[in-house]
Amino acid sequence: SAVISQKPSRDICQRGTSLTIQCQVDSQVTMMFWYRQQPGQSLTLIATANQGSEATYESGFVIDKFPISRPNLTFSTLTVSNMSPEDSSIYLCSVAEGEQPQHFGDGTRLSIL
Amino acid sequence: GNSVTQMEGPVTLSEEAFLTINCTYTATGYPSLFWYVQYPGEGLQLLLKATKADDKGSNKGFEATYRKETTSFHLEKGSVQVSDSAVYFCALSDRGGANNLFFGTGTRLTVIP
Repeated sequence: SAVISQKPSRDICQRGTSLTIQCQVDSQVTMMFWYRQQPGQSLTLIATANQGSEATYESGFVIDKFPISRPNLTFSTLTVSNMSPEDSSIYLCSVAEGEQPQHFGDGTRLSIL
Repeated sequence: GNSVTQMEGPVTLSEEAFLTINCTYTATGYPSLFWYVQYPGEGLQLLLKATKADDKGSNKGFEATYRKETTSFHLEKGSVQVSDSAVYFCALSDRGGANNLFFGTGTRLTVIP
């Protein structure tokens, strides 16, 4: 399966600032996804990152707050904008190819002060 | 709609005890079912999967059988180890393996020596 590298692995940020999280895959993949895991909770899909076009966002998530880029088939970024303490979560990138199951990166642990 | 209901934790077992984590689902059509595991400080790893009724997924001594009649996918292991301590997530996808994963709330397992 693909090897997924996420950066940074963790960060502590001030409220009102923005952070960009990177997801790099060691092979070309069709599907890339971004999830949020709030403390003690399950995963919620933020959006599907589409190569060469705008991401597809799930209900409750908007592009202004979570802009996503996907310039090619091996790389994507998620930005968490104008952060507040409620954005403190683990953010995970996952990838999938064809009918194969999704595989996840190790996540970015984000704390907002 | 699609949803996954998972046994609430936390679950604490002694080493070599038998493990069952219950998972039931609601879905339209014929979903694929998954168990993911999240070890402390790490991302999610696919543990096992089943794509059609009566399939049994297995890995690392864990098993789960896709039961369409009871809409269940319970996770079992005959003899747990301390290294199995983690959070376990049941998930389904209604479009094969790649898209739209719906997760349960997760069950934290602690195995004590």
